[in-house]
Amino acid sequence: DVKVTQSSRYLVKRTGEKVFLECVQDMDHENMFWYRQDPGLGLRLIYFSYDVKMKEKGDIPEGYSVSREKKERFSLILESASTNQTSMYLCASSGSSTGNTIYFGEGSWLTVV
Amino acid sequence: ILNVEQSPQSLHVQEGDSTNFTCSFPSSNFYALHWYRWETAKSPEALFVMTLNGDEKKKGRISATLNTKEGYSYLYIKGSQPEDSATYLCAFENQAGTALIFGKGTTLSVSS
Repeated sequence: DVKVTQSSRYLVKRTGEKVFLECVQDMDHENMFWYRQDPGLGLRLIYFSYDVKMKEKGDIPEGYSVSREKKERFSLILESASTNQTSMYLCASSGSSTGNTIYFGEGSWLTVV
Repeated sequence: ILNVEQSPQSLHVQEGDSTNFTCSFPSSNFYALHWYRWETAKSPEALFVMTLNGDEKKKGRISATLNTKEGYSYLYIKGSQPEDSATYLCAFENQAGTALIFGKGTTLSVSS
């Protein structure tokens, strides 16, 4: 069974804290993605990565950074958390070819207070 | 930013009803259209990946059609069951194969 694992399901952080959301996939996929899901706005792409140490901005990268030091791991970093970053964050991965299914983790619910 | 639109936003049907919803997407630079089902407290799960104009795919009681020339896809559910209750997402993939652009989803609720 394919697996995308997000290490933290529920987090509560204070404004200004640095937050790390970790994602690991066991399918040897080249592509990894971070999305956020907000009511009425759907899934919006934050960052994606096609290879180790490579990253591309998505539609809403402001306030976020990412790290991909190993192929299986893609981290989303909130340098200084703000209340408008309270959301559900979804990690996903896929193979490098076009038309590939992408596989999602179960999501991380982040509340910034 | 590319626009992928889904309608309706939500709907409620009775068990046994058949239903369908729409996804519209840019017809230029098209490579594939993806459908996902997202049940509460679970990960989104892939239903179909469709690439060819006129393509039809089927999985049990769920089927989908694709019109790439006019930029739309329909998802059909025949004889809805309570376990079909979920949010159905479509996503556009362009020819460069960059990250999928998702619609906002259609949330289906099926009452028994």
